[in-house]
Amino acid sequence: DSGVTQTPKHLITATGQRVTLRCSPRSGDLSVYWYQQSLDQGLQFLIQYYNGEERAKGNILERFSAQQFPDLHSELNLSSLELGDSALYFCASSPGSLSGNTIYFGEGSWLTVV
Amino acid sequence: AQTVTQSQPEMSVQEAETVTLSCTYDTSESDYYLFWYKQPPSRQMILVIRQEAYKQQNATENRFSVNFQKAAKSFSLKISDSQLGDAAMYFCAYRSYNTDKLIFGTGTRLQVFP
Repeated sequence: DSGVTQTPKHLITATGQRVTLRCSPRSGDLSVYWYQQSLDQGLQFLIQYYNGEERAKGNILERFSAQQFPDLHSELNLSSLELGDSALYFCASSPGSLSGNTIYFGEGSWLTVV
Repeated sequence: AQTVTQSQPEMSVQEAETVTLSCTYDTSESDYYLFWYKQPPSRQMILVIRQEAYKQQNATENRFSVNFQKAAKSFSLKISDSQLGDAAMYFCAYRSYNTDKLIFGTGTRLQVFP
C-alpha cells in the first residue's frame, strides 16, 4: 500500500458527460501528480500541484482540469468526455518539489467512456 | 527533451533464473534520477528501485539491481532468482533535477515460467 488513495476505482460513463476523480496523497506529501495510462499512449504526465498551486503542466487537454485543496487532496475533472478518454488515471504524490523524492502512485481510477 | 526507450516489449524467464531488462535514455542534463517501476496485473505502479545519476555505485534492492552506465545513458534492471510474483510490466522512468515529472518508457512485459 503506497498510502495514496484514489476514488472511485472504476467508473463507467457516457460520452459528453463529466466526471471527477479524487486523490488523497500520502500523509505529509505536498506534491500531487496526475498521470493518464492509455493503451496506445502509455503513461503520460498530465499535471502537478504543490501545496495548492499548479507547478507543472503536461499533456493535459483543455477539457480536463485539476485542483489541490487546502487539505492537500486533489481532484481531476474530466468534461465533455470522448471514447478516447477511456484510460487508467493515476494520482501520485511526493513530499516536496524539485527535491528528488520518490513519487508514489495510487492504485488508479479506471475510466470507461461508452 | 528527454526520452526513455525500452526496446524489449516482452521478456520471459524461468523461475529462479536471472533476467535483465534494458533501458536507454536521452538527455543533455548531468543530474537526474532514474527509476524502475513494476506494474502487476492489478495495475498499481510499484517502485522497484531508484538511482541518482551522481552516484557511481549501482543501486540494489534485495533481488533487484541496476547496471547504470551514465556515459552510455543506459539503465538496465537485473532480477535475480526470479519468482512467479515478478511477472508484471516493468517501466523505466527518468526524472530531471529541474522538474518533478516522470518520463516513462513504453514498458517491458516480463513473464515468469515455473
